Amino acid sequence: GNSVTQMEGPVTLSEEAFLTINCTYTATGYPSLFWYVQYPGEGLQLLLKATKADDKGSNKGFEATYRKETTSFHLEKGSVQVSDSAVYFCALYNYGQNFVFGPGTRLSVLP
Amino acid sequence: KAGVTQTPRYLIKTRGQQVTLSCSPISGHRSVSWYQQTPGQGLQFLFEYFSETQRNKGNFPGRFSGRQFSNSRSEMNVSTLELGDSALYLCASSLGPYEGNTIYFGEGSWLTVV
Repeated sequence: GNSVTQMEGPVTLSEEAFLTINCTYTATGYPSLFWYVQYPGEGLQLLLKATKADDKGSNKGFEATYRKETTSFHLEKGSVQVSDSAVYFCALYNYGQNFVFGPGTRLSVLP
Repeated sequence: KAGVTQTPRYLIKTRGQQVTLSCSPISGHRSVSWYQQTPGQGLQFLFEYFSETQRNKGNFPGRFSGRQFSNSRSEMNVSTLELGDSALYLCASSLGPYEGNTIYFGEGSWLTVV
């Protein structure tokens, strides 16, 4: 079946540090890949997505590249801010099937 | 356009009671799915509805049920509440399982069972 693995954290960084949150997946076919973010007390928001191999999703300074050869979709940001503190979920979707989410990675950014 | 709307946002129930949560999807979206989020278990899939039919169900006891109406609005019900049912219940909508590949979440309903 389909599955998503991601580093669970928590990840603690200082402001302006470089961020990487690893995500790998197992799936048949050609899934779409997503990163969702959950700020404290809120629901999940779509951060970025990529629908085919080698696509790069980007939003708010975050980027992730769909790497089929390594079955990965790592999230990166060059310079994090305190306001980026949240829980980040990697997810995949296969046509006609349910979304599958990773366990989430809690990020804390210290001023 | 309006996002996914969940009501109520917060509620407190007593063990043994039942609860009904409501979800209004984004206009034009016909698929609604429900998730339970707890600190220990993360995000767990409850069920998905499309065109008033349950397409998939997660690994939850029969106390958890749902339905979808002809206007795509959905409700989920939990009967005989247990302390362990305390969680954030999230609803998400999409165009449909074969029509779109992005789901959009509501703010969630915080359920506390005492």
